[in-house]
Parts: sequence; structure tokens; C-alpha cells
Amino acid sequence: GQQLNQSPQSMFIQEGEDVSMNCTSSSIFNTWLWYKQDPGEGPVLLIALYKAGELTSNGRLTAQFGITRKDSFLNISASIPSDVGIYFCAAETSGSRLTFGEGTQLTVNP
Amino acid sequence: GAVVSQHPSRVICKSGTSVKIECRSLDFQATTMFWYRQFPKQSLMLMATSNEGSKATYEQGVEKDKFLINHASLTLSTLTVTSAHPEDSSFYICSASGGGTAQHFGDGTRLSIL
Repeated sequence: GQQLNQSPQSMFIQEGEDVSMNCTSSSIFNTWLWYKQDPGEGPVLLIALYKAGELTSNGRLTAQFGITRKDSFLNISASIPSDVGIYFCAAETSGSRLTFGEGTQLTVNP
Repeated sequence: GAVVSQHPSRVICKSGTSVKIECRSLDFQATTMFWYRQFPKQSLMLMATSNEGSKATYEQGVEKDKFLINHASLTLSTLTVTSAHPEDSSFYICSASGGGTAQHFGDGTRLSIL
């Protein structure tokens, strides 16, 4: 099936640092999304991207839909302790179904 | 933002029991609901897609007679794990989408089968 390769798998950073993570695929997608999941909870939508080349911000978060439609990245600026969690990229396939990346575990040290 | 409520949040029951999980969209009409399964330290795996008033579409390898899905209204979908066994223990998460919008997720149900 269609797979998303998400990297890095985990990150350990200091508070205040910027973070970047990305997803790539061999398949073309029309929609890319980024979610954050805290332990024991469902994923929360951070940013949705619907157009190739689109760059969208949500507060300290910025995400881009790659021009080839095969990749996307998420940047977090000036990280804070509450940014800790698992970040998932997701891409929409036929029938509005989502395929998810493997996740990036983010740890922020105060 | 869109709110999806999932109930119960946690279930512990004996092997052989059937368990029903509810997923409700609270402030929008969900034309499509999805059910996912997530094992520890792994990503979400789509189990099935549910459209209101029609039969669910199951992903390859998911037993439809094991995981019964009902989507009777635009705000409610249910997943019933029939005759659950320990290997069915997992974190089950629903999501809802209305009119082509992005999926919003419930808070999940931790199912533990003894």
C-alpha cells in the first residue's frame, strides 16, 4: 500500500530551539495533514494542506505541501515544553481515507 | 473547532465479551466516520470507513464479522468488537469528516481484554 516515510523518528531538543520534521512518499497525494498526539489521547489536527506548494502557518507551526505532491514538512519555532508529544503526518487517499506516517516523538528539555 | 466525542474511554473485560464503542460528532454532521486501531508506539492503522446509511468499507485484513460498524445517523457511528480476545486489546480511535473537511479525531478507547 501507499506508505509515508516520516523522519526523524525521535528528537530531543532544548526549550527555545526550532524543530523540523518531514514526510516523503513515492506516491502523489492531494492533501497532506499534520497531527499531534498526546499520550492516551486521539490525534489533534495542527495544519491541513490542500495545494501543492502551499505554505501554511498556525502560530509557531509552519507546514508546507511539497511541489511534487510527494512530501511535506512541519517546522516548530521556539519550542516550549508543551510541544512534547508525537507528531504524525498524514496524506489523504481515495475515499478521504488517511494513511499515516510512523510519527516523530518530540521531547523538549526545559 | 470540530469536536468528536468517543465513549467509553477505557474498557476492561473478560475474553469472549462483546464491546461497543461510540463515536459522536458534536458540532457538525459527519458524512463519513473512520475507525482506527493503534498499538503501543505505533502509528494509526485504518480499519474501516463508515458512511451514514450504508455498509462500512473494511481495509484488507480486517474481519468485518469481528468488528461490526454501524453508522445510523450523521452524528453517530458505533464499533462493536465481537467475542473479544486478548489479541484484540488495543487503542481504538474514531474520526469524523463532514463535507470534504479534514478528519477530526475522538480521544480514543483503550480496550483491555483479560
